[in-house]
Amino acid sequence: GEDVEQSLFLSVREGDSSVINCTYTDSSSTYLYWYKQEPGAGLQLLTYIFSNMDMKQDQRLTVLLNKKDKHLSLRIADTQTGDSAIYFCAEGRRSQGNLIFGKGTKLSVKP
Amino acid sequence: DSGVTQTPKHLITATGQRVTLRCSPRSGDLSVYWYQQSLDQGLQFLIQYYNGEERAKGNILERFSAQQFPDLHSELNLSSLELGDSALYFCASSPTEGREETQYFGPGTRLLVL
Repeated sequence: GEDVEQSLFLSVREGDSSVINCTYTDSSSTYLYWYKQEPGAGLQLLTYIFSNMDMKQDQRLTVLLNKKDKHLSLRIADTQTGDSAIYFCAEGRRSQGNLIFGKGTKLSVKP
Repeated sequence: DSGVTQTPKHLITATGQRVTLRCSPRSGDLSVYWYQQSLDQGLQFLIQYYNGEERAKGNILERFSAQQFPDLHSELNLSSLELGDSALYFCASSPTEGREETQYFGPGTRLLVL
């Protein structure tokens, strides 16, 4: 199976909160990342969390990490139409330099 | 803007041809990574260079090769191109050898093989 798994689609209404979930498999992962990809654009680093943290908040973004269940989530408060994009979860492992990405969750925000 | 630049932005070529993609890392970064993004495979790691030397290899085909030059820019060479090589190719960079480091991505090169 996938090393990093995400649901493929999420649809929310403007102003609601969005929660994008991710599960990973390697318990030695040290950093977990969220990247955003807008249509036709590159990968923009949104935020990351170190594996010894449970939560990180950055303006409208909240990252929650449950290391026991290897579950990561990204909450976007007051979701706007400009948040419509594909969101990728990625893990950075101590054993290797490259990142392991999920397939991405496409967030659609309806007005 | 991540500080990582990639050229060209778009590339259209024919099967059997060879192309070169170029990447300049963020100022001061020593590692360059190449990733391929396709619809069916998602984002796959291809290869990493650190300070001019190959550091790690992922799912890179033998028809593909890369190098990193003394000024730290990198080139990804794709040869004997097939239709299935059509994808978005990303370059990323990080400060040192990469473990436990954040990677910053360039805007990508979109390759279309006809």
